Amino acid sequence: DAGVIQSPRHEVTEMGQEVTLRCKPISGHNSLFWYRQTMMRGLELLIYFNNNVPIDDSGMPEDRFSAKMPNASFSTLKIQPSEPRDSAVYFCASSGLAGGGDTQYFGPGTRLTVL
Amino acid sequence: KNEVEQSPQNLTAQEGEFITINCSYSVGISALHWLQQHPGGGIVSLFMLSSGKKKHGRLIATINIQEKHSSLHITASHPRDSAVYICAVPEGGSEKLVFGKGMKLTVNP
Repeated sequence: DAGVIQSPRHEVTEMGQEVTLRCKPISGHNSLFWYRQTMMRGLELLIYFNNNVPIDDSGMPEDRFSAKMPNASFSTLKIQPSEPRDSAVYFCASSGLAGGGDTQYFGPGTRLTVL
Repeated sequence: KNEVEQSPQNLTAQEGEFITINCSYSVGISALHWLQQHPGGGIVSLFMLSSGKKKHGRLIATINIQEKHSSLHITASHPRDSAVYICAVPEGGSEKLVFGKGMKLTVNP
């Protein structure tokens, strides 16, 4: 398996622009996670899905952030409008079992810079 | 909410040394995760354990459920072990992980 795939790997955009990050989980995994990593706050969970349904979005910072999982093999994280404080590395991860009882496999991350 | 503390925050060692990284958490859990983040940024899951000890190569992870404490040991450390090691625990019975701030390890040749 190719592992978790994320695109783009790097994104530089200007404040106010819409940004869409994409993730393809490992085939057969039924849980998908979006994380954000910054120097100040470390790794934080933004949202996770189980069987394509959003389960916990309490980590989504504000209404500018939205995430979708239209099918088992694809998810998007959208920021509209983007702001400089959104600059971070965004990771997607997937796992095969519910309840925190399975290894999470991380994608390579998308490094976002908002100017 | 589970609070995860890691110590030390930074560690510099010489090649060959035995290294221990500690993790404490505040609320009982079903399993604890150890992750490794390479200097290039990629994150790899090293262990997931709910009791006792697990070993993979030169890495050994232990957990004491009663004391809410886990340790990650590296035997015969090597410069390629240089990375940030992150401990994480699930929040409640969910899949939501709460992360420690990580420990940056530098192993010098």
